[in-house]
Amino acid sequence: DAGVIQSPRHEVTEMGQEVTLRCKPISGHNSLFWYRQTMMRGLELLIYFNNNVPIDDSGMPEDRFSAKMPNASFSTLKIQPSEPRDSAVYFCASSLVGQVAAYNEQFFGPGTRLTVL
Amino acid sequence: AQSVSQHNHHVILSEAASLELGCNYSYGGTVNLFWYVQYPGQHLQLLLKYFSGDPLVKGIKGFEAEFIKSKFSFNLRKPSVQWSDTAEYFCAVFSPSGGSYIPTFGRGTSLIVHP
Repeated sequence: DAGVIQSPRHEVTEMGQEVTLRCKPISGHNSLFWYRQTMMRGLELLIYFNNNVPIDDSGMPEDRFSAKMPNASFSTLKIQPSEPRDSAVYFCASSLVGQVAAYNEQFFGPGTRLTVL
Repeated sequence: AQSVSQHNHHVILSEAASLELGCNYSYGGTVNLFWYVQYPGQHLQLLLKYFSGDPLVKGIKGFEAEFIKSKFSFNLRKPSVQWSDTAEYFCAVFSPSGGSYIPTFGRGTSLIVHP
């Protein structure tokens, strides 16, 4: 298995532009997580999906951020409009969550390093 | 809401020294506990995990962690560190919320091992 795939790996954009980050989870996994990592705030959970349905988006900073999971093999995180404070590394992770939550190990992608000028 | 505290933000050791990184969480019920490692420029990888059973868990690369329920702790240990252990270490807790399990990560501990 190729693991969790994220694209692009690096993104440099200007303030006000729309940014779309993409994630392909591990085949067969039923949960997907988006995280943001910064020096100041560490690793923050933004949103996660179970069976393609958003379960908790309380970590999404504001309305400029949106995430979708149209099918089990693809998810996007969109920032519109982007701001310099959005600069961070964004990680996607996937997991197989059983009914007794015995499979909560998350597999992380390589991350997307976003720089907003 | 669940919180996870990693008390050591930066640790500097010499090779062969012993390591213990603290992790405390706030939820008092059933939790799943994890330690992840992030080597420079790489993504997070699982070191070890605890779901139930023996509270002393052994992971990869000689790491182990002990779950002490009464102290809400899950400290990471290694008897003798190597230069290659230089990395960021994250404690994570999955706890129930709204019919599912929610992950909460600690802020991380940066470990530098001098050769």
